[in-house]
Amino acid sequence: DTEVTQTPKHLVMGMTNKKSLKCEQHMGHRAMYWYKQKAKKPPELMFVYSYEKLSINESVPSRFSPECPNSSLLNLHLHALQPEDSALYLCASSQVDGADDEQFFGPGTRLTVL
Amino acid sequence: QKEVEQNSGPLSVPEGAIASLNCTYSDRVSQSFFWYRQYSGKSPELIMSIYSNGDKEDGRFTAQLNKASQYVSLLIRDSQPSDSATYLCAVFMRFGAGTRLTVKP
Repeated sequence: DTEVTQTPKHLVMGMTNKKSLKCEQHMGHRAMYWYKQKAKKPPELMFVYSYEKLSINESVPSRFSPECPNSSLLNLHLHALQPEDSALYLCASSQVDGADDEQFFGPGTRLTVL
Repeated sequence: QKEVEQNSGPLSVPEGAIASLNCTYSDRVSQSFFWYRQYSGKSPELIMSIYSNGDKEDGRFTAQLNKASQYVSLLIRDSQPSDSATYLCAVFMRFGAGTRLTVKP
């Protein structure tokens, strides 16, 4: 299996909702990432997990809470989001921790916050 | 803050021509450089990685790296309409703004 999967594909939520994004890979990769991409902009790094431990948090607001239950799974818990958080959320994985390694992206979750 | 900059584009080339995409970066420590292709509405797809000075070829794609000049480029030979996409340069988990390439039949 050489792909990264993400669920759901689309998510619409209100500002008071709590929801979660899920990401899964079965390539044996030990690093996983969350990126946020706004329209016509490049992906922006949010979080990096290396060997299931959070290694980088790019000063992301606490309304975004990542979780890595095991080496294959990555979640992003969302709570009290703002309309400006609407974006494409991308998960990626790499064989080892990140700066020097090729990353493989999932298809993304398109999030709309009303 | 590590910066990655790309020529802003958009870039339009006729079918069969060579498309040249450029990227500069500010961090002298970086060792690995990546080119991703992103079709509209899709996620980025890795097309080339380069780690050493010089050229690396893969099919119609050639990546060129010059660490002294902090410069990496991507050449697409015999461009096809299916190459029309945004090309993103990535260094140290940071992406450039991307160059939108259109290949006209």
